[in-house]
Amino acid sequence: DTEVTQTPKHLVMGMTNKKSLKCEQHMGHRAMYWYKQKAKKPPELMFVYSYEKLSINESVPSRFSPECPNSSLLNLHLHALQPEDSALYLCASSPTSGNTIYFGEGSWLTVV
Amino acid sequence: QKEVEQDPGPLSVPEGAIVSLNCTYSNSAFQYFMWYRQYSRKGPELLMYTYSSGNKEDGRFTAQVDKSSKYISLFIRDSQPSDSATYLCAMIIQGAQKLVFGQGTRLTINP
Repeated sequence: DTEVTQTPKHLVMGMTNKKSLKCEQHMGHRAMYWYKQKAKKPPELMFVYSYEKLSINESVPSRFSPECPNSSLLNLHLHALQPEDSALYLCASSPTSGNTIYFGEGSWLTVV
Repeated sequence: QKEVEQDPGPLSVPEGAIVSLNCTYSNSAFQYFMWYRQYSRKGPELLMYTYSSGNKEDGRFTAQVDKSSKYISLFIRDSQPSDSATYLCAMIIQGAQKLVFGQGTRLTINP
């Protein structure tokens, strides 16, 4: 079983809603990631947090806002999304950067 | 040209067969090599990882890295229908923060 836990597993939201995706890991990892995955494509990197500081933002639109409250938690705040943002959002962690990366089960997001 | 090339398949084999999945890459700086298994509508599960060159075996799975040829492989012995999934190769430079994926190979094991 994965040790990266994501909630909720499924989320349907309207284009004017504000919602959040949550991620938790208890492996003592110091790097955490958000990825987005569309059907039949590999995951695409969105954000990287290293030691609780944002270190990479892959030119993600501002309607996605990440937050790392502590070393075990990672949130992704969603606001004014578009239907094309519907996808599987994956949280991941690794001991440090440039190491093996472990993914959670993902949150399926549908924007209507 | 993509940094990591992986044949997307689909690949269909009978139960019990040996499956060989492969990726080639162009960046010689990659040091960690990973194979993920992804079932439909689930997150990728880390199956095997190798640091630098060599072989690694875990049960029915063997991962090989040939850095001189920039080629990695995953072998599945005695394949089972439960092995049916998409297999993603991925690699990263030590200290870097961006994992580079192949396109994924969709594998079906037929009973």
